[in-house]
Amino acid sequence: GAVVSQHPSRVICKSGTSVKIECRSLDFQATTMFWYRQFPKQSLMLMATSNEGSKATYEQGVEKDKFLINHASLTLSTLTVTSAHPEDSSFYICSAGQGNYGYTFGSGTRLTVV
Amino acid sequence: QKEVEQNSGPLSVPEGAIASLNCTYSDRVSQSFFWYRQYSGKSPELIMSIYSNGDKEDGRFTAQLNKASQYVSLLIRDSQPSDSATYLCAVNSRDDKIIFGKGTRLHILP
Repeated sequence: GAVVSQHPSRVICKSGTSVKIECRSLDFQATTMFWYRQFPKQSLMLMATSNEGSKATYEQGVEKDKFLINHASLTLSTLTVTSAHPEDSSFYICSAGQGNYGYTFGSGTRLTVV
Repeated sequence: QKEVEQNSGPLSVPEGAIASLNCTYSDRVSQSFFWYRQYSGKSPELIMSIYSNGDKEDGRFTAQLNKASQYVSLLIRDSQPSDSATYLCAVNSRDDKIIFGKGTRLHILP
């Protein structure tokens, strides 16, 4: 089955710094990947759709300049949280796959901004 | 109208009983339906997919789909404490995204 690897699993950073999260499809090519954010005890919120070779599509209310997405190859998408603040602390999860057959999630990245 | 609706729970079910989780969706053209399980602090895991009306069984899990009623459900037989988790219903959308419900928290009582 489809395997999606996400790294790092946990990161603590200082306020004002930037953090990069990687999402890789290990055994398939993914022209589209999705980035979600989940706050404690809340549902998954789709942040953006990452498209290989083109600009990402952001959901309403998500700042594209703060959450930079790069999908430079068919197996790798990165999410960079720029100038992170404590309110950006959350669980970030990527997913990839085929819409008709379901998507596989990465293991998630727990970001804590101090 | 929300696109995918689930009762947030918590749903408490005695160990060994059948847990029944329900979901409704709004887009009639949706063709693919999924159930994900999410343990606290972990990412969601796909446990069932269903594409046509009727029942689909996989071990202790049975997914049921009724497109006319825009309704999909998940039954878990012989519930175990390890089944305690949040179950997310998901539906594919017109632009190939997966739309998630808010999830139902299931608690299996030992």
